[in-house]
Order: sequence, then C-alpha cells, then structure tokens
Amino acid sequence: QKEVEQNSGPLSVPEGAIASLNCTYSDRGSQSFFWYRQYSGKSPELIMSIYSNGDKEDGRFTAQLNKASQYVSLLIRDSQPSDSATYLCAVNMRQGSGGSNYKLTFGKGTLLTVNP
Amino acid sequence: GAVVSQHPSWVICKSGTSVKIECRSLDFQATTMFWYRQFPKQSLMLMATSNEGSKATYEQGVEKDKFLINHASLTLSTLTVTSAHPEDSSFYICSARDPFSRAGGGYEQYFGPGTRLTVT
Repeated sequence: QKEVEQNSGPLSVPEGAIASLNCTYSDRGSQSFFWYRQYSGKSPELIMSIYSNGDKEDGRFTAQLNKASQYVSLLIRDSQPSDSATYLCAVNMRQGSGGSNYKLTFGKGTLLTVNP
Repeated sequence: GAVVSQHPSWVICKSGTSVKIECRSLDFQATTMFWYRQFPKQSLMLMATSNEGSKATYEQGVEKDKFLINHASLTLSTLTVTSAHPEDSSFYICSARDPFSRAGGGYEQYFGPGTRLTVT
C-alpha cells in the first residue's frame, strides 16, 4: 500500500514563529510533491510544489525535499493567524509497476493553529 | 495557478432525486479531472478519475451506477449523484490536472471550490 504520512497535530504556534510541517512517503520512485492548504469548509489550495532535492522558497513558505529519506517538509516563517488551516501533503505516486499512470496520494493533513 | 470552477456551490435535494455537479477548467484544457468526496473532519477520498472522451475509472467501493461521470470536453466534467440518499450528503470536490505543469512524471492538480450536497 503506497502511503503518505503526516503528523496529525494539531500544531499550535504563536504569531511570528516558524511552523514546521512534516511528511513521509512510502514510494521511493515518487518524483512530484505538493503542499495544499485547506481552510475549514473550503477546498484545498495548492501552495507549493517541489520536484528536486533541497529547498524551494516562495515568500514565507519553504518546501524541503529529501528523496533519500523519503521526506518532505513545509516551513512557514513569520506565521500569521490567517495561516491557521489544515495542511495536506500530496505525492504523485505511480500506479502499478512501470507505466506512466500517476495518482495524487494525500496525507491525512496537519491542523495548524497560529495564536495571536 | 490554474482556475477550476464548480457549480453549484451548494445544493439541497430530496431523497431519491438526482443531482448534477459541473466542474470546469477555466484557463486550461484538462484531459484528466478527478472527483473527491470529503466528510466533516475527514480526509479527501478520491472517488473517480475522469478522462476526456473515455469512461471514468472508479476507486474501489465507489458505485459507478450511482455516481455517473461524464467528461465530454476538455474543460467540463460532470458528476451526477443518482437516487441520492441522506448518506450521500457530503462535500464533493473536483480537481483538474494542468497539462503544462508536468514535472517529474506528475502534474500539478488544482481544486474547484467544492459543492456541498445535503440530501433530506
């Protein structure tokens, strides 16, 4: 069973702090990784995609990927109350052996609360 | 990022009736769209993969005769919940792959705003 695991949380940080969200995945052949943000009652919103080992920065968000450790993380700097949401890690995993059919597999999400 | 719309945003229907939900990719052509369902405080559950011009692929445990999917054009997929029952009440979300975002064997997927279905 190909899986994506996340800290279930909830994670609570004070305003202005760095929030660190972690994710591990089981399929060593995966190449595409995504972070989505989902506010309560809303649909997921893509905030970061990462494909290569290392860091990728976009504003206050930094995604980190380590394929050898099968680990991907999201750092949110200067956390704001508006960042309070569930963060979903998603990995494009190949379906079956070989072939080119990929499907996005989601973790269960980590609920982040940023306290003013 | 790419934009995906859904209509209606919410719907209330009586038990036994059918409801159609539309999903459109507004600024790109999506050969592949996905339909998810999410119950309160639970994870997204993939129901089916919709490919333009071919039959949808349903996930295990999803009744294809109950959840009819049509992907008749590169910008429109529809989900029809037939003979709806209260247990079908849920948040239905579609998603579309942006074919120009391909990297590392995958594509970026963008979600519509969702449709909240209540069956009374």
